[in-house]
Amino acid sequence: DMKVTQMPRYLIKRMGENVLLECGQDMSHETMYWYRQDPGLGLQLIYISYDVDSNSEGDIPKGYRVSRKKREHFSLILDSAKTNQTSVYFCASRTGNYAEQFFGPGTRLTVL
Amino acid sequence: GDSVIQMQGQVTLSENDFLFINCTYSTTGYPTLFWYVQYSGEGPQLLLQVTTANNKGSSRGFEATYDKGTTSFHLQKTSVQEIDSAVYYCAMSPAYKVIFGKGTHLHVLP
Repeated sequence: DMKVTQMPRYLIKRMGENVLLECGQDMSHETMYWYRQDPGLGLQLIYISYDVDSNSEGDIPKGYRVSRKKREHFSLILDSAKTNQTSVYFCASRTGNYAEQFFGPGTRLTVL
Repeated sequence: GDSVIQMQGQVTLSENDFLFINCTYSTTGYPTLFWYVQYSGEGPQLLLQVTTANNKGSSRGFEATYDKGTTSFHLQKTSVQEIDSAVYYCAMSPAYKVIFGKGTHLHVLP
């Protein structure tokens, strides 16, 4: 079953707290992505991972870091969350440059 | 730099109307082009993709043609239905990155 999962689906944190968003995929895809989605701005790329321990900044990496220790898992970490990081976060994976991306269901993060 | 432009933020139609969503892109080379659809509460999913210039992609009654000359990849559907109400994203992949337009929210009235 080709699937991308995200945990948790909903999260409320206070400003200054640390946040961990998790993403998993069962397709052995090499490349994984983290995006955030805000009204009127579409999908903005935060980080790309090409494979285990091979990550690259996207367009808006400030305030975020990532970890990929297994091909199936890709984590997004917010150290000391800020209110402007309130958003919906999507993880995606794909097998090559010309392939479709498979997206997870998203995590709705609210930072108070 | 690489970019994807979708000018229409919102489109409202009635059932059986013709749909046309503009998409233009800017890059060097020959990227793969995609349309993704996102239903409420879900992640985006692939609607159609075209890898080769001047080819047409189609799915579920939607179609788009990769026009290298005008750098466009407009989405069309002859007769929309209420179930087509969703956000539609045009996207381009020149390499590892995938660049999305800002999305077009389609609302189809019964």
